[in-house]
Amino acid sequence: DTAVSQTPKYLVTQMGNDKSIKCEQNLGHDTMYWYKQDSKKFLKIMFSYNNKELIINETVPNRFSPKSPDKAHLNLHINSLELGDSAVYFCASSQVWSRVSADTQYFGPGTRLTVL
Amino acid sequence: SQKIEQNSEALNIQEGKTATLTCNYTNYSPAYLQWYRQDPGRGPVFLLLIRENEKEKRKERLKVTFDTTLKQSSFHITASQPADSATYLCAFYQGGKLIFGQGTELSVKP
Repeated sequence: DTAVSQTPKYLVTQMGNDKSIKCEQNLGHDTMYWYKQDSKKFLKIMFSYNNKELIINETVPNRFSPKSPDKAHLNLHINSLELGDSAVYFCASSQVWSRVSADTQYFGPGTRLTVL
Repeated sequence: SQKIEQNSEALNIQEGKTATLTCNYTNYSPAYLQWYRQDPGRGPVFLLLIRENEKEKRKERLKVTFDTTLKQSSFHITASQPADSATYLCAFYQGGKLIFGQGTELSVKP
């Protein structure tokens, strides 16, 4: 059973297009995240949702819009794609969220986005 | 600003030896530090968490240390095997989010 799943696995698209990446977790967790991993393998948080509420919104262009229809799903929509958006995007979840206390995060397999 | 750095991008060792990876942080005193493993084409997998009041944590062949004076965490794999080859990421927890280092790619040769 896949704990955190993402679709699609690969996404190749032209500059200027709009695309979405979907994420689902079947762990019953309250918190979900989106991370971006660039070509140098540097993994950086973009957004975090706790019980469908946005709690972390890093300095990300507003072309990126996360949506959480329910606790088990967190989708990422990207408008007007640019070359620099090419990266691997990871979804993750954790049982709880706290500003001070760390919880284990479970990552999905990633979506490799290539913008041509 | 807060920063976390792993001491090398790549580490090559012989099977059976102990692999030691190091992570340094600056401008912050994290209460928690985590280590993850990432295989090519896959998401990171949690390995160990260590708290600031813990000097050392062990799990099977893995050991993590946390030195708040040196602002450093070390990750050790004893009796390393080729199956341990992967990228290892350290991360500290700050303000409700994980801040990752750039990773160290470990290669264990038979």
